[in-house]
Amino acid sequence: QKEVEQNSGPLSVPEGAIASLNCTYSDRGSQSFFWYRQYSGKSPELIMFIYSNGDKEDGRFTAQLNKASQYVSLLIRDSQPSDSATYLCAAPGGQNFVFGPGTRLSVLP
Amino acid sequence: KAGVTQTPRYLIKTRGQQVTLSCSPISGHRSVSWYQQTPGQGLQFLFEYFSETQRNKGNFPGRFSGRQFSNSRSEMNVSTLELGDSALYLCASSLGSGDYNSPLHFGNGTRLTVT
Repeated sequence: QKEVEQNSGPLSVPEGAIASLNCTYSDRGSQSFFWYRQYSGKSPELIMFIYSNGDKEDGRFTAQLNKASQYVSLLIRDSQPSDSATYLCAAPGGQNFVFGPGTRLSVLP
Repeated sequence: KAGVTQTPRYLIKTRGQQVTLSCSPISGHRSVSWYQQTPGQGLQFLFEYFSETQRNKGNFPGRFSGRQFSNSRSEMNVSTLELGDSALYLCASSLGSGDYNSPLHFGNGTRLTVT
């Protein structure tokens, strides 16, 4: 049974700081990982994916993958109050995706 | 390109009734997945359809069923509703190849309330 774990939070950071969101996974065979952002009352939206060891940057977002440690993270630079949301980590598991429970991020003005 | 469309957005039903939810995927996407989201349980996988075939099913009772049509549109049905079925039901479509080239794209969801 593939599992994806996240700290549920809430994680509170001041505006302008770096928010670091972490995710661990159980399946060493997992090749790719996805980060979704979900605002309260809304559906998840894809913000990044990563499939190679190392870092992948997209604007203020950086995804980091360490396959040896089975660890993937999402860094949000210059955090804004509009980044306040729940962030879900997901990994494909056959014909379905396995989602972590999500980390609730609160960016304080 | 239009996104994933789910109807209806909101539903209120009574215990014992049944309900049908509808999902139209992104054009060209052949895989449709359904998830249930509740505050305590997070996103729970219901089932996934590809080319009208159910390829995978989550750990839900038989009251939950689905189907996919030849145009990739999908429906989900819940019979004999229980209070615990109150949740946000999310449909997501993808190309269906199961790798980084085919992430899930979610619809706006159907909020079901069972009274």
